[in-house]
Amino acid sequence: QKEVEQDPGPLSVPEGAIVSLNCTYSNSAFQYFMWYRQYSRKGPELLMYTYSSGNKEDGRFTAQVDKSSKYISLFIRDSQPSDSATYLCAMSGTSTGNQFYFGTGTSLTVIP
Amino acid sequence: DGGITQSPKYLFRKEGQNVTLSCEQNLNHDAMYWYRQDPGQGLRLIYYSQIVNDFQKGDIAEGYSVSREKKESFPLTVTSAQKNPTAFYLCASRAQTVHGYTFGSGTRLTVV
Repeated sequence: QKEVEQDPGPLSVPEGAIVSLNCTYSNSAFQYFMWYRQYSRKGPELLMYTYSSGNKEDGRFTAQVDKSSKYISLFIRDSQPSDSATYLCAMSGTSTGNQFYFGTGTSLTVIP
Repeated sequence: DGGITQSPKYLFRKEGQNVTLSCEQNLNHDAMYWYRQDPGQGLRLIYYSQIVNDFQKGDIAEGYSVSREKKESFPLTVTSAQKNPTAFYLCASRAQTVHGYTFGSGTRLTVV
């Protein structure tokens, strides 16, 4: 079993839709949860960072962490064509040292 | 502007050749990382370094080598022992107090 599971998609939505991206994980030691956005042929950029359980909102983006279910989500409201990218979840914990564990990424296309 | 610079953007290698990928950062980050990204497999850790003159193997270090002689620089050599080197290589750095990575823009290596 992989440490982090992420549906690769692809996911295609119309402009203005609400997008839900999800990851599940198996290691209960994970405490730090991140979402990265990666445009084609570019490096990933950090989008959201959350510590432990709860919600975090930043503009149109909301990150949710449910540690009891080992499940994290990223919601994108009022999606725009510029949101078309691959979204990677990542997680780590103090007991995992400096190693981050990444999902495989979900490819999102927002259609104008 | 602070950031990570990877060069070259595209690299072609002949069978049996060693090639070196450059990674330079001016963020004053202590830790630096090399990842390999293949379609459907996400990011896999090759090597990482938490301090100058010290580095550790990641999950897929075979066929690769690194050095960390300066804080700013963490070059990756893909040796002829790496049997399937065609991939997108990403360098990242992280300050000790931060849990998210800053990534470079990547190098696409192709064996010809």
